[in-house]
Amino acid sequence: EVQLVESGGGLVQPGGSLRLSCAASGFSFSSYWMSWVRQAPGKGPEWVANIKQDGSERHFVDAVKGRFTISRDNAKNSLYLQMNSLRVEDTAVYYCVRTPQPVVRGVFDYWGQGTLVSVSS
Amino acid sequence: QSALTQPASVSGSPGQSITISCTGTSSDVGGYNYVSWYQQHPGKAPKLMIYDVTNRPSGVSNRFSGSKSGNTASLTISGLQAEDEADYYCNSYTSTSTNYVFGTGTKVTVL
Repeated sequence: EVQLVESGGGLVQPGGSLRLSCAASGFSFSSYWMSWVRQAPGKGPEWVANIKQDGSERHFVDAVKGRFTISRDNAKNSLYLQMNSLRVEDTAVYYCVRTPQPVVRGVFDYWGQGTLVSVSS
Repeated sequence: QSALTQPASVSGSPGQSITISCTGTSSDVGGYNYVSWYQQHPGKAPKLMIYDVTNRPSGVSNRFSGSKSGNTASLTISGLQAEDEADYYCNSYTSTSTNYVFGTGTKVTVL
């Protein structure tokens, strides 16, 4: 059974940093692109970033470029999202999502339960 | 990049069929056969229901079907059941810098 478990969310002040983690199990983690997708309260999902199997390609939505970094550790079956210079508008539930190839299709086939990031003073 | 446009709500009685539309542009929905649909129950993560416009993942009921015409994609739920009551979001690849764009979401109510 595919399982994705996020952690690391919480309350942070504007300008602060957080690092989200995602522990994957039940599939060959190193064989898949992985993504972070967020959902602000009462809004639809928004794709944030993705990373290739070996970490050699990474893509970000314009709103987080230069502030967020995505990484992975295939030995630990783990995905990460380093979020710096956080803004109020980054407040959302952040989901770790498996992304089958070709990634251009935008297919997000398994989602974690999400971790809430709240940015507020 | 603006979100794809969906009706805010759609309702139907048990056993009926309903259709949810998802309207974009030639840069997203109309330009690629890369539309997917997600079901989300309150407090839960989204679940993939349809991908590549018409394909159903293993385990998804065949009561769910997808189609596309021009810049508008559609999700049809036939034989509506109480468990289908949820929010539904479409998603498409886009040639703009955002890469992927989700819809505004549709709340399905089973009367």
